[in-house]
Amino acid sequence: EAQVTQNPRYLITVTGKKLTVTCSQNMNHEYMSWYRQDPGLGLRQIYYSMNVEVTDKGDVPEGYKVSRKEKRNFPLILESPSPNQTSLYFCASSFSPGGTDTQYFGPGTRLTVL
Amino acid sequence: RKEVEQDPGPFNVPEGATVAFNCTYSNSASQSFFWYRQDCRKEPKLLMSVYSSGNEDGRFTAQLNRASQYISLLIRDSKLSDSATYLCVVNMGGTGGFKTIFGAGTRLFVKA
Repeated sequence: EAQVTQNPRYLITVTGKKLTVTCSQNMNHEYMSWYRQDPGLGLRQIYYSMNVEVTDKGDVPEGYKVSRKEKRNFPLILESPSPNQTSLYFCASSFSPGGTDTQYFGPGTRLTVL
Repeated sequence: RKEVEQDPGPFNVPEGATVAFNCTYSNSASQSFFWYRQDCRKEPKLLMSVYSSGNEDGRFTAQLNRASQYISLLIRDSKLSDSATYLCVVNMGGTGGFKTIFGAGTRLFVKA
């Protein structure tokens, strides 16, 4: 089954404790992206990647890191999480390298930073 | 000014009604346009792509007006199952970078 998977689905952590949210897609898509969704603000793009080893900042990259060492995986790293990073996070992938066609989303990761 | 703006609603309509949503975008270099649907904090799913020539899929019609920089979605014969949040999405492929910008969403409630 074609899908985007994220882990963990739910995470409660404390300020400053490094964490990684994994994202994997099995559709051989070129483009992958991370978003956060907050009430009233909609989805905002954190980082995106057009191919292996190619990443770029979205609108809200501060406090996040990403890597794209393999085509299928695009982990999101929070080196020192803070309460303002409490949010619902979605990973997405797209066949087009520019993300200019349909994006397929993972189920989301609900993160709480205390 | 937000790069993509939508009326947040909510739109409360009876079954069978026709409802229209509009969305405006600020970057004229935008290349791709979409409507996504999101149910109650689940992942967004593509509803339809939007083209200048118009795009129809059953009860749904989407239109792009590049000159005025707005996108529309028309839902005819609303069903209870259409209740959701509709997200306007703009992708700025090309020289502006390959960013994807989401509107904050328009909530629709269809009532019996």
